[in-house]
Amino acid sequence: DSGVTQTPKHLITATGQRVTLRCSPRSGDLSVYWYQQSLDQGLQFLIQYYNGEERAKGNILERFSAQQFPDLHSELNLSSLELGDSALYFCASNQAGGSTDTQYFGPGTRLTVL
Amino acid sequence: ILNVEQSPQSLHVQEGDSTNFTCSFPSSNFYALHWYRWETAKSPEALFVMTLNGDEKKKGRISATLNTKEGYSYLYIKGSQPEDSATYLCAFPLVHQGTYKYIFGTGTRLKVLA
Repeated sequence: DSGVTQTPKHLITATGQRVTLRCSPRSGDLSVYWYQQSLDQGLQFLIQYYNGEERAKGNILERFSAQQFPDLHSELNLSSLELGDSALYFCASNQAGGSTDTQYFGPGTRLTVL
Repeated sequence: ILNVEQSPQSLHVQEGDSTNFTCSFPSSNFYALHWYRWETAKSPEALFVMTLNGDEKKKGRISATLNTKEGYSYLYIKGSQPEDSATYLCAFPLVHQGTYKYIFGTGTRLKVLA
């Protein structure tokens, strides 16, 4: 158990809908990362937050947005969902958010868009 | 094009065999290279963060080396056991427009046969 929690574990929804995925980092960690893992692709970095501010951005679609709240939990919002958004979404956290810091991954949220 | 490549894609070895695989990454603007172990139905677990050219890290029967000048890292497993079966990922923080984003390789899928 990494200490990172994600809810929900599974989510099934329809095309065009909007969902929110939630992540609570390990106690004391200030930085949160979001990743997407689709069937036909490897792990894709979406976005990183550090202490409430966006720090790094990967291949995140405009239909997706994220934020980190004052209590340091983070939410990833996915809107106008398409079939291709079906994937496993991971969140990871670490203390300082630097490129040399180990990341601790949560168990993931499996999103299925029908 | 700046890519992280891993080889081989998959590998089957007998219990007790030693094995190794490669991660190739851009050799310019190097900050760090991360290795992860990802078991089926679980989340990625950090193995090593490599930062210095010539660095060698070890964790039990698993070790890794780093060559930043030529842009590669090797992961070695000595005396493979069935519990070593997993996908081994490497990740490279790529500096981009004043920030960085993580690029993951597609992984080497290792199956250790008892």
